[in-house]
Amino acid sequence: QSALTQPASVSGSPGQSITISCTGTSSDVGGYNYVSWYQQHPGKAPKLMIYEVSNRPSGVPDRFSGSKSGNTASLTISGLQAEDEADYYCSSYTSSSTLAYVFGTGTKVTVL
Amino acid sequence: EVQLVESGGGLVKPGGSLRLSCAASGFTFSSYSMNWVRQAPGKGLEWVSSISSSSSYIYYADSVKGRFTISRDNAKNSLYLQMNSLRAEDTAVYYCARDRYSWHYWGQGTLVTVSS
Repeated sequence: QSALTQPASVSGSPGQSITISCTGTSSDVGGYNYVSWYQQHPGKAPKLMIYEVSNRPSGVPDRFSGSKSGNTASLTISGLQAEDEADYYCSSYTSSSTLAYVFGTGTKVTVL
Repeated sequence: EVQLVESGGGLVKPGGSLRLSCAASGFTFSSYSMNWVRQAPGKGLEWVSSISSSSSYIYYADSVKGRFTISRDNAKNSLYLQMNSLRAEDTAVYYCARDRYSWHYWGQGTLVTVSS
């Protein structure tokens, strides 16, 4: 079971919008609405930003939104802020016989 | 306030064993699935293992199957990961995380280093 595919890096200026893609297969992203997104700052634990494709936990700014089309999920950050600079990982439940969950390869977001 | 506190990490030789613990507080531990996720230095996140609330369902990543054992003690509000036959590639920060399908709460992590 391979990791979900994310771009290695995405950058944007403050106030801009960026989108991070997360591509899997019909056995994971495309087959279930259990896609989550995590933000991780250096030396810190991951933080849940989006769950079940498009739901935001309480306390997460509405600048963060999630969606899915086919085997690809997306995280959009609108109105980019300096504190959004971090690594972002998607994850999905999978029906693979060897795994229950699979993470994405991770995306470094840089605020220019 | 939900708190997850990992402990038990350290330096161990290849082939050795280590037992990680995760102490939970601030919620009804026995009602939630729990998980272990690890991150090798400078690398991405890797799901390791999950256990259901009553320990009825247990899952492992192929990379640790047969070597690691996840367990929990609901009376002690604690999650465990027994790691045997450790390899250099098991070197990572190990996080415990709460919930099923998506992990709303995470501990701060404990570092496991496998080296001779």
